[in-house]
Amino acid sequence: DGGITQSPKYLFRKEGQNVTLSCEQNLNHDAMYWYRQDPGQGLRLIYYSQIVNDFQKGDIAEGYSVSREKKESFPLTVTSAQKNPTAFYLCASSIFGAGNNEQFFGPGTRLTVL
Amino acid sequence: DAKTTQPPSMDCAEGRAANLPCNHSTISGNEYVYWYRQIHSQGPQYIIHGLKNNETNEMASLIITEDRKSSTLILPHATLRDTAVYYCIVRVAGLGGGGNKLTFGTGTQLKVEL
Repeated sequence: DGGITQSPKYLFRKEGQNVTLSCEQNLNHDAMYWYRQDPGQGLRLIYYSQIVNDFQKGDIAEGYSVSREKKESFPLTVTSAQKNPTAFYLCASSIFGAGNNEQFFGPGTRLTVL
Repeated sequence: DAKTTQPPSMDCAEGRAANLPCNHSTISGNEYVYWYRQIHSQGPQYIIHGLKNNETNEMASLIITEDRKSSTLILPHATLRDTAVYYCIVRVAGLGGGGNKLTFGTGTQLKVEL
């Protein structure tokens, strides 16, 4: 089945540790995105990538890093510099180009920093 | 991208039509209206989008006013499974800055009841 997967669904880490969230898609999409969602709030864009080996900061990139070495994969690292990392993290992908390209979202990873 | 205003919550009886309003009075001529929904603790799901004509698909209908300053998403026969947060998003089609970046507000929590 084509789709976008995130793992794990729940993740617990101690304060001060870096943690990497996985995002994989087999939709052959060029563009991938990471969003963060806090309780009762909408999604906020962390980073996005329009093509392999290229990515741009979104609205709240501080304390996060990404890589895009393969078209299918866009891992997000939550670093110890992120002051409030506990949140629900969502990955998405889309066709990149002119037009009305819907984003397909993964199931999300809920990160809790203790 | 233009900002949108949605009521924070709405209730609907199962089997009835759910009409979700969205105000986007500052929308510009090249901006589309998108609707996504998010069932609790899942990733958002694309529903429909439009520019100025009314649109219908297997999930919903989108009615955009002639002046494009507001729109209504219609779920013709709401079921319990339609209980979710519904997001109205306005964005420019095409490449632009941020590619296909979506800006999510807090949406409308629709509760479908028996």
